[in-house]
Amino acid sequence: GESVGLHLPTLSVQEGDNSIINCAYSNSASDYFIWYKQESGKGPQFIIDIRSNMDKRQGQRVTVLLNKTVKHLSLQIAATQPGDSAVYFCAEKLGNQFYFGTGTSLTVIP
Amino acid sequence: GAGVSQSPSNKVTEKGKDVELRCDPISGHTALYWYRQSLGQGLEFLIYFQGNSAPDKSGLPSDRFSAERTGGSVSTLTIQRTQQEDSAVYLCASSLSIDTQYFGPGTRLTVL
Repeated sequence: GESVGLHLPTLSVQEGDNSIINCAYSNSASDYFIWYKQESGKGPQFIIDIRSNMDKRQGQRVTVLLNKTVKHLSLQIAATQPGDSAVYFCAEKLGNQFYFGTGTSLTVIP
Repeated sequence: GAGVSQSPSNKVTEKGKDVELRCDPISGHTALYWYRQSLGQGLEFLIYFQGNSAPDKSGLPSDRFSAERTGGSVSTLTIQRTQQEDSAVYLCASSLSIDTQYFGPGTRLTVL
């Protein structure tokens, strides 16, 4: 099956700093990517998505970068806040199916 | 409703019993997915419904698992003769197309 991996399982940042969470995907035919945030005891929450014909997409305090050459996806969170503490997943879509990574746990230090 | 809902939120059962997990997708969403999430693991695809098409059951781990989607809306995931390894969080997601998925809060299943 497909593998979607994250470079770091945990990340700690100071409140107010920027956070960067990375993800590697394995199939160059994947055409759509999503970042999710999952807080303890809750379902994944959509953050931002990007299609394979784009390199960058910005949302509110978040930016997703896609590097198709090296099959790498990153999520940048600006001015990280304590409420951003959660597990972040990337997902790639291939055909009708989504493949998810195990997640990076982000801890924001007040 | 405003989002995807799932019930029950928690289910504790004894090994060998059958369980039914329910998912109410966002109104109008034609696609519905079931996933399983074990501790420290990524989401494992189970089954996918799209409109009136035959479901994609390729992720179901055994014939003890089955799912239905009645009237293109509510879905029920059934696990027969539960085993301890079935313990996990079962997540449902719906989408308007085969793109952005919106997840429910999940059902935490514990098999004793």
